[in-house]
Amino acid sequence: GQNIDQPTEMTATEGAIVQINCTYQTSGFNGLFWYQQHAGEAPTFLSYNVLDGLEEKGRFSSFLSRSKGYSYLLLKELQMKDSASYLCAVRVHNNAGNMLTFGGGTRLMVKP
Amino acid sequence: DVKVTQSSRYLVKRTGEKVFLECVQDMDHENMFWYRQDPGLGLRLIYFSYDVKMKEKGDIPEGYSVSREKKERFSLILESASTNQTSMYLCASSRPQGANFYEQYFGPGTRLTVT
Repeated sequence: GQNIDQPTEMTATEGAIVQINCTYQTSGFNGLFWYQQHAGEAPTFLSYNVLDGLEEKGRFSSFLSRSKGYSYLLLKELQMKDSASYLCAVRVHNNAGNMLTFGGGTRLMVKP
Repeated sequence: DVKVTQSSRYLVKRTGEKVFLECVQDMDHENMFWYRQDPGLGLRLIYFSYDVKMKEKGDIPEGYSVSREKKERFSLILESASTNQTSMYLCASSRPQGANFYEQYFGPGTRLTVT
């Protein structure tokens, strides 16, 4: 089966940097996604890593280590609007095709 | 922009009723998915479809069925609603593997309450 772990909640201060970790144990690994979900809204795509290393996109960066089954999402220069849940999802390939398995999500609260 | 729409944002049904949740996407995506989202459990895949009239079970298909008669539309059916199916239901679509971009695009969700 698939197992994905991420912290349930985190709190950070406006203007600071926060790192949200995600560890996974899967078979048929075929990439890792990060999604942002504001309360009451749909998840929206943030980043995708399939190779080891860091992917940077503006204030957000995502890192992957396949050998360690580990990823993190780094948010810089935090803004109040970054308060949201951040979902780590692993893409797996099996006989049925490609599917995403999601972690429970990390609720980030940004304080002034 | 990709747009995924769901027929209702909020729905209240009684135990034993048959419930239809509709999802439509306008980007000609081959893959479509139904998830439910519950506090502490994250998103769990119920069913997905990679083509018209094709369907595959996800992690928690019990108590649900699906229908995909047209490429743009994917329906989730609760044959006999029960209180443990009270949840947020999210539909998503994506291009198939091999496409340049195959992240999943989500609809706004339907919050279903079964009383």
